[in-house]
Amino acid sequence: DTGVSQDPRHKITKRGQNVTFRCDPISEHNRLYWYRQTLGQGPEFLTYFQNEAQLEKSRLLSDRFSAERPKGSFSTLEIQRTEQGDSAMYLCASSAKGGNQPQHFGDGTRLSIL
Amino acid sequence: GIQVEQSPPDLILQEGANSTLRCNFSDSVNNLQWFHQNPWGQLINLFYIPSGTKQNGRLSATTVATERYSLLYISSSQTTDSGVYFCAVELSSGTYKYIFGTGTRLKVLA
Repeated sequence: DTGVSQDPRHKITKRGQNVTFRCDPISEHNRLYWYRQTLGQGPEFLTYFQNEAQLEKSRLLSDRFSAERPKGSFSTLEIQRTEQGDSAMYLCASSAKGGNQPQHFGDGTRLSIL
Repeated sequence: GIQVEQSPPDLILQEGANSTLRCNFSDSVNNLQWFHQNPWGQLINLFYIPSGTKQNGRLSATTVATERYSLLYISSSQTTDSGVYFCAVELSSGTYKYIFGTGTRLKVLA
């Protein structure tokens, strides 16, 4: 069990650019979640995958945001035409199938928009 | 939407002291988790506790779902307990959409 891995750890980009983050969940975890956390706040739910299917998506996820999990393993989160308000920590978590399964979080990707 | 409020918002303890953190939620929930976010930003799952009581070492948690609250007890606090404690609730069965509370920031002094 190597834990949830996120890449990159930190991304600095200019406003208007596109960025993509990757999350590798714990192996055999079929559930994967993306959250966004801004300074001083708790994580905000963005989206949830069960295997490759995106089953929940927050209205926080505007049309500039898209997430995929093509083979039910790793996932990517893409933000197009980044804005200053997108600056945040983007967290990924995974959990095993079955009831009563806790979420395990990665260390996050910190996005800074110049 | 559902409100998830935690109290107190900030807490300073002397090493060795005990404390109780509270999580109130405004609607029925399917599941509840407690997390610790350490000073380096890592989120660690402490308890998965939709109801009842669980204990893990110096930590224990109780959820009374019918009264819409959960408590996290920290005994004999240590400096490594410092950080932010969050509760997170799942709104309804099968959505896996978790709403995080406002957090309690804990600082334990040596």
